[in-house]
Amino acid sequence: AQSVTQLGSHVSVSEGALVLLRCNYSSSVPPYLFWYVQYPNQGLQLLLKYTSAATLVKGINGFEAEFKKSETSFHLTKPSAHMSDAAEYFCAVSGGFTGANNLFFGTGTRLTVIP
Amino acid sequence: DGGITQSPKYLFRKEGQNVTLSCEQNLNHDAMYWYRQDPGQGLRLIYYSQIVNDFQKGDIAEGYSVSREKKESFPLTVTSAQKNPTAFYLCASSMGRAGTEAFFGQGTRLTVV
Repeated sequence: AQSVTQLGSHVSVSEGALVLLRCNYSSSVPPYLFWYVQYPNQGLQLLLKYTSAATLVKGINGFEAEFKKSETSFHLTKPSAHMSDAAEYFCAVSGGFTGANNLFFGTGTRLTVIP
Repeated sequence: DGGITQSPKYLFRKEGQNVTLSCEQNLNHDAMYWYRQDPGQGLRLIYYSQIVNDFQKGDIAEGYSVSREKKESFPLTVTSAQKNPTAFYLCASSMGRAGTEAFFGQGTRLTVV
């Protein structure tokens, strides 16, 4: 079975501060991991993905995430928060185990950026 | 431009009525998915389809039905059997291979009145 746990349903940071959004995964097979962002009343947009090529993954808008197998984590970071980063962020896992490549999502973390 | 189109963006349904949500993609993707989103619960998989004329139930399929008669289209019907249909519905597609990401539509917000 595959699942992800996002610690913290709400995170607030000051503009210019470090952003850290936490994601831990559970998977019986080598996982593929994703981070998506969602703005209000919109669909999800892919930020970055891990597919075993490199443990440090760089994505769009200055975000990056590091895959740590020993910690079963895939935390999302950005060195300096911008007002436009305020959104909801979802971590997801798939393993291709069923052949369907279904994504299993966490419950999301809402990021607030304080001016 | 390639992408996924969901319609309508907002939908109101009376209790006891069936409604159909449209999802069309021109990305030539094999796999398509329907998710339901409720506040604080993330995205939950309703149905998915890997190929035309085939689809599988997800985690919360009760009260929903789908069809996949064309590669480009994957409509979702919310039936009167769905007891709590008010939610945000998201359609997605992917190449269907391991490690490939899903691309999402803009969503349909369904409200029962």
